[in-house]
Amino acid sequence: GAVVSQHPSWVICKSGTSVKIECRSLDFQATTMFWYRQFPKQSLMLMATSNEGSKATYEQGVEKDKFLINHASLTLSTLTVTSAHPEDSSFYICSAPDAVGTDTQYFGPGTRLTVL
Amino acid sequence: GNSVTQMEGPVTLSEEAFLTINCTYTATGYPSLFWYVQYPGEGLQLLLKATKADDKGSNKGFEATYRKETTSFHLEKGSVQVSDSAVYFCARSGAGSYQLTFGKGTKLSVIP
Repeated sequence: GAVVSQHPSWVICKSGTSVKIECRSLDFQATTMFWYRQFPKQSLMLMATSNEGSKATYEQGVEKDKFLINHASLTLSTLTVTSAHPEDSSFYICSAPDAVGTDTQYFGPGTRLTVL
Repeated sequence: GNSVTQMEGPVTLSEEAFLTINCTYTATGYPSLFWYVQYPGEGLQLLLKATKADDKGSNKGFEATYRKETTSFHLEKGSVQVSDSAVYFCARSGAGSYQLTFGKGTKLSVIP
């Protein structure tokens, strides 16, 4: 099956700093990628839809200036958490459908962010 | 809007027991339905899917049937193994989009 990777797998940063998380489709091209946030023992909450070559679409309640998304190529989307605070600590997961018109998504392994 | 409701866990079963995890979805549009599994320390993996009413998805001994009349997609397995211990998420697709809406997840622990 299709493989999606994320880097880093975990990161610890100080409050006020910015952190960039990468999501890559390894063996397929993805014009669309999705970013989710997962709180402990809770479900995945969709944050935004990343579109190659255009602006991301954010879900209601997600601050676009805080969670910057860049989808610069067909295999890479990045999520930058700007001026991170402890409440941003969470598990961030990306996903991508492996072909246009399919509704099956492949998920990255996730990135654990801890903000001190 | 779209929503998915699944039974809350945790669920603890003995090996070889029968498993059912209930899932219902809002009946807007014609969604595809999915079960994803998250093993400890790993990302979500697609377990099975069904794209239309009366379809049955199956994989690794798990199965679920798309029931439009009851808006349900319950996950079943006849004989669970310790290796099935994981968190299981039910999800539906959006109307005409790739976006997924997830249930809250059900943690399954299988004891020898």
